[in-house]
Amino acid sequence: EDKVVQSPLSLVVHEGDTVTLNCSYEVTNFRSLLWYKQEKKAPTFLFMLTSSGIEKKSGRLSSILDKKELFSILNITATQTGDSAIYLCAPNSGAGSYQLTFGKGTKLSVIP
Amino acid sequence: NAGVTQTPKFRILKIGQSMTLQCAQDMNHNYMYWYRQDPGMGLKLIYYSVGAGITDKGEVPNGYNVSRSTTEDFPLRLELAAPSQTSVYFCASSYERTRGGYEQYFGPGTRLTVT
Repeated sequence: EDKVVQSPLSLVVHEGDTVTLNCSYEVTNFRSLLWYKQEKKAPTFLFMLTSSGIEKKSGRLSSILDKKELFSILNITATQTGDSAIYLCAPNSGAGSYQLTFGKGTKLSVIP
Repeated sequence: NAGVTQTPKFRILKIGQSMTLQCAQDMNHNYMYWYRQDPGMGLKLIYYSVGAGITDKGEVPNGYNVSRSTTEDFPLRLELAAPSQTSVYFCASSYERTRGGYEQYFGPGTRLTVT
């Protein structure tokens, strides 16, 4: 059975702090891993990672994948209150399945 | 492009009633999905479709049905609603990137309460 574990489940930080969110996974026929940000509505896409060791960056957010150890991390530097959200990790399995298996998410709260 | 649209936004059902949640996308994506999200949990896949006329079960299909007669539309049918189906329902669609992987785009969700 596919399994995704995110840690921590929740996190409270002050503006300006740097945070690291973790995602470990076990899925069959792994193809890629996606990160989403969910505020009070639908998840919005952040990154898709397909290769180990290649860091994806978008502004203050960055992410990296380790396919050997089966985990990914999402870093957010200089956090802002607008970063408060639930961050979801979702590995994608291929082989005709096309499915994303979502973790429970990390709830990040950034306080001024 | 409107992206992925869902109707209704909110609905309250009585136990035993039926309803259809509508989902449409205008991005010409082949793949479409239905998820439910319960409080404090990640999204669970209910059904998915890889093209018009082709659907398959996800992780939690019991109590639901789908159809895919066109590329654009992917309605989700609830028969005999039960309190356990109280949840937020998200529809998503995706295409395959050239290097693999399926980036999914989500609709705004339907909040359903069954009492």
